[in-house]
Amino acid sequence: TQLLEQSPQFLSIQEGENLTVYCNSSSVFSSLQWYRQEPGEGPVLLVTVVTGGEVKKLKRLTFQFGDARKDSSLHITAAQPGDTGLYLCAGATNTGNQFYFGTGTSLTVIP
Amino acid sequence: DTGVSQNPRHKITKRGQNVTFRCDPISEHNRLYWYRQTLGQGPEFLTYFQNEAQLEKSRLLSDRFSAERPKGSFSTLEIQRTEQGDSAMYLCASSLGALESTDTQYFGPGTRLTVL
Repeated sequence: TQLLEQSPQFLSIQEGENLTVYCNSSSVFSSLQWYRQEPGEGPVLLVTVVTGGEVKKLKRLTFQFGDARKDSSLHITAAQPGDTGLYLCAGATNTGNQFYFGTGTSLTVIP
Repeated sequence: DTGVSQNPRHKITKRGQNVTFRCDPISEHNRLYWYRQTLGQGPEFLTYFQNEAQLEKSRLLSDRFSAERPKGSFSTLEIQRTEQGDSAMYLCASSLGALESTDTQYFGPGTRLTVL
């Protein structure tokens, strides 16, 4: 069951462009995490957001958790080829027992 | 501690054979999760342990799958009578099991299974 839908599914942009990835659900999550995964490797945690409306910045990456804690976005400024990868959001249920992953956004940044 | 480790990294087997994967979590982490991921998709939850207790299992985990964490440290995932549809990346993650709202999972590099 995919509780979290990500859009777009695929994104190919030129180096230097900006982009936003969306993660949406009808369910409320106690926290939401963003990961980046490279081929043949496990996901690597980028950030955890906990509070509705929270905004976190990690260099050129800006993460926002929706006020209702049902959705999130990831904005990348001035994308670089090193940003290429599969971006995954994952929401933790209120019981904290399971993390539900989104469908993933495959980003390719062309030099 | 260098993080979550998984062995083997790659496994090729023939249909019908049994396979076993191992996961060593971060040492102080109480929770351990198993996921399955197919190409281009997000990981799908299989099961998780709180210390040595297996607390939740997905419906994806058929009778051919079994997971153990006998001493609350490392875990094994066994697949019996493998089928071609079992081909996937099997990911392990661990977390402290702290307050639900702040618990964070850290993933291993995964075991890529190919069933011929």
